[in-house]
Amino acid sequence: EAQVTQNPRYLITVTGKKLTVTCSQNMNHEYMSWYRQDPGLGLRQIYYSMNVEVTDKGDVPEGYKVSRKEKRNFPLILESPSPNQTSLYFCASSLSRQGGTQYFGPGTRLLVL
Amino acid sequence: AQTVTQSQPEMSVQEAETVTLSCTYDTSESNYYLFWYKQPPSRQMILVIRQEAYKQQNATENRFSVNFQKAAKSFSLKISDSQLGDTAMYFCALGAGGGNKLTFGTGTQLKVEL
Repeated sequence: EAQVTQNPRYLITVTGKKLTVTCSQNMNHEYMSWYRQDPGLGLRQIYYSMNVEVTDKGDVPEGYKVSRKEKRNFPLILESPSPNQTSLYFCASSLSRQGGTQYFGPGTRLLVL
Repeated sequence: AQTVTQSQPEMSVQEAETVTLSCTYDTSESNYYLFWYKQPPSRQMILVIRQEAYKQQNATENRFSVNFQKAAKSFSLKISDSQLGDTAMYFCALGAGGGNKLTFGTGTQLKVEL
């Protein structure tokens, strides 16, 4: 089954404790992206990757890091989480051509105390 | 920069009736794509419908159809024969510019009532 998986699905942590949210897709997509969803703001792009070893900032990259060492995986790293990073996070993937339909993971709900 | 505006934070409709969700957008790109995503209480993002801006014909998917007015930069979603399972948050999104970035609106919470 074609899918995007994220882990963990729920996470409660404390300020400053480094964490990683994993994202994996089995559709051989070149393009992967991270979004955060906050009430009243819709989804906003954090980082994206056009292919292995090619990443770039989205609209709200501060406080986040990413890496793309393998085509199927695109982890999101919060080196020193803060309460304003409490949010619902989505990973998405698609073929690289513009307009390619993006397929979303199930989401990770993060609470930073 | 791209912007997407959904001016209806909440809407309700009776089961079996028709409802239209509004979306306007702005982009300076000549080549772009428009999407409607559905987010039910499970929070999963589900693609409802996709429209290519260079196509004049409005996209349809079963009970879902769009009214794409390119000159007005308007992209509304019509849901016919509404069902209880249509209750969800609906996001309009624009894909334009470099890469495959999506710019989302703030969403419309739709409630289908008996």
